[in-house]
Amino acid sequence: GAVVSQHPSRVICKSGTSVKIECRSLDFQATTMFWYRQFPKQSLMLMATSNEGSKATYEQGVEKDKFLINHASLTLSTLTVTSAHPEDSSFYICSAGREVSYNEQFFGPGTRLTVL
Amino acid sequence: GIQVEQSPPDLILQEGANSTLRCNFSDSVNNLQWFHQNPWGQLINLFYIPSGTKQNGRLSATTVATERYSLLYISSSQTTDSGVYFCAVGLGGANSKLTFGKGITLSVRP
Repeated sequence: GAVVSQHPSRVICKSGTSVKIECRSLDFQATTMFWYRQFPKQSLMLMATSNEGSKATYEQGVEKDKFLINHASLTLSTLTVTSAHPEDSSFYICSAGREVSYNEQFFGPGTRLTVL
Repeated sequence: GIQVEQSPPDLILQEGANSTLRCNFSDSVNNLQWFHQNPWGQLINLFYIPSGTKQNGRLSATTVATERYSLLYISSSQTTDSGVYFCAVGLGGANSKLTFGKGITLSVRP
């Protein structure tokens, strides 16, 4: 149990286009999901907390209008990178918490975004 | 915010050797997890250990919450143990964010 999936695993797009990344909790419900970004050889940095049925909470320095988050159901959160630019190229990872017995978070396999 | 420091930053081992990875954190936490990031980027959950000691095969972990540190032990290392090990801490439950350390890059040589 406690599986989190992401789609797509890899995406290449042209500068100026928008890209949507999906994060799903496959075998549990998640009222909260988290979106992280990881640059090469660096750690994970939290971008935003996605709350089911309400607005996301963004970390300082993360542009809300550029990284749109929608958490429409208890098993799905989406991150849309709008008007992507080469500096947005990164590895995006989502996570979700399962509170059944532990306060443990599980991570998706990540999405590698390359903006040309 | 909470600070997480991991040491050493890099570690090179000969296959079969044992190692200890350390994680220090600056505040009391209710969540502490150890992860192994594989070459494809997937974070593998190793331990959920806000306090106490756990063991899973060749891996074990100990968190001393009162002294704000956690240790990950790898015994009889194998080449497949290579990768980056992250410690992450959180102040609340599963619905609270995690703060990651910078990671420890482990290379196990045959």
